[in-house]
This record gives sequence, C-alpha cells and structure tokens, in this order.
Amino acid sequence: EPEVTQTPSHQVTQMGQEVILRCVPISNHLYFYWYRQILGQKVEFLVSFYNNEISEKSEIFDDQFSVERPDGSNFTLKIRSTKLEDSAMYFCASSEWGRTDTQYFGPGTRLTVL
Amino acid sequence: QKEVEQDPGPLSVPEGAIVSLNCTYSNSAFQYFMWYRQYSRKGPELLMYTYSSGNKEDGRFTAQVDKSSKYISLFIRDSQPSDSATYLCAMSDPGGATNKLIFGTGTLLAVQP
Repeated sequence: EPEVTQTPSHQVTQMGQEVILRCVPISNHLYFYWYRQILGQKVEFLVSFYNNEISEKSEIFDDQFSVERPDGSNFTLKIRSTKLEDSAMYFCASSEWGRTDTQYFGPGTRLTVL
Repeated sequence: QKEVEQDPGPLSVPEGAIVSLNCTYSNSAFQYFMWYRQYSRKGPELLMYTYSSGNKEDGRFTAQVDKSSKYISLFIRDSQPSDSATYLCAMSDPGGATNKLIFGTGTLLAVQP
C-alpha cells in the first residue's frame, strides 16, 4: 500500500540553525501539507501546497518557514533560523485530486532544537 | 469555545470491551469527519472517514456523526490490546482552499489483556 515517507526520523539542531525536513508524498497525490505536534498538544496545520504554490497557511507559518517541491517526488519544509519552540513532531500529509478531506500522514520527523 | 473538543482520557478498558470515543465541535460548516489512530511517536493513521450525518461501519469500528448536536463518536467493538493508541478526531475546514484538518486533542486508550 502506498504511503507517505519522511526523512530524517529525528533531527537535532542548535538554535538559530537552518533545517530542512523532507517528505515523499503518495505518488498520485496532488495536495501536500505540513502539520506539527508539540509534545502533549494537538496536531496543528501549518501549510498546504498545490500546483507548486502555497494554497493556505496558518499563523504559525511565518517568514522563518518555507516549503518547496524541488522535483517530482519530494516536498520539503525549511525552517531558516530554528527556535527552541520549534521543537515538535512535523508531519507531512498528502491527498489526491478532489479528496482534500482525506489526508494521509507520514510517520513524522521529530525536531529537537537545543 | 474551542473548535473541536475531545476528552483526553486516559481511558482503560479490558480486552473485549466496547469502547466509545467522542468529540464535539462548534463550527456548523464542518461536513467531513475523520478518526485517526496514532501510536506513540508515530504519524496519525486514517481509520474512518464520514461525510455529513449518519453511521459508517468498518469491521470492528463504527463512526457516527450527529450534525444537529455537533457530536461525533467512534465505537470499537471487541477491543484488542493492539487497539491501544491515541485516537484523534479531525474535521476538515471548508473555509480554505485545501480543507485543512482541525484536530481534537486525542483520547489515549489502553486495552488491558
């Protein structure tokens, strides 16, 4: 069964450093998302991406964040200058055309900012 | 009032019990309702998906939506220890372009053998 994959599974970085989290969505899906989950809190929407541009973003997704689909398979989330409060699980999700309500999640990347 | 409210539990039941998990919501525009299962430090796994009001059954799982009461439920019959996980309700927000999901806090379920 096709699935969303994410790398790395765990990323440790120093405050102020840039990190790139990578995702490979399900191959025939056209909508891509990033969510995050701070330990013990809700899963929160960050951004959605379609047709090579951001469709929607939350208040959390400020200028420190960016997303990119650098090729036909990868979808990345970049945090330019990490803060301690960016420590969280970051989940990539994807959905197929006409089914944006049904989103499939990857296993997540645990980001630890020291 | 929070958009989606869910009892965080934890909920502990013996193997074989019927489990009832619930969420309430405030936005009457929600039409798509999902239940995800999340094992510790893993990604949410889509379990059930329901559109509008009514019931949907899949094996031991039944999802129920009551839009008039803004209340959704997930029932698990003959619960197994492997069902032990956090169960997240989610609703897709029709206000945006791509139906971002609004999640509840999750209910932690432990099924005791």
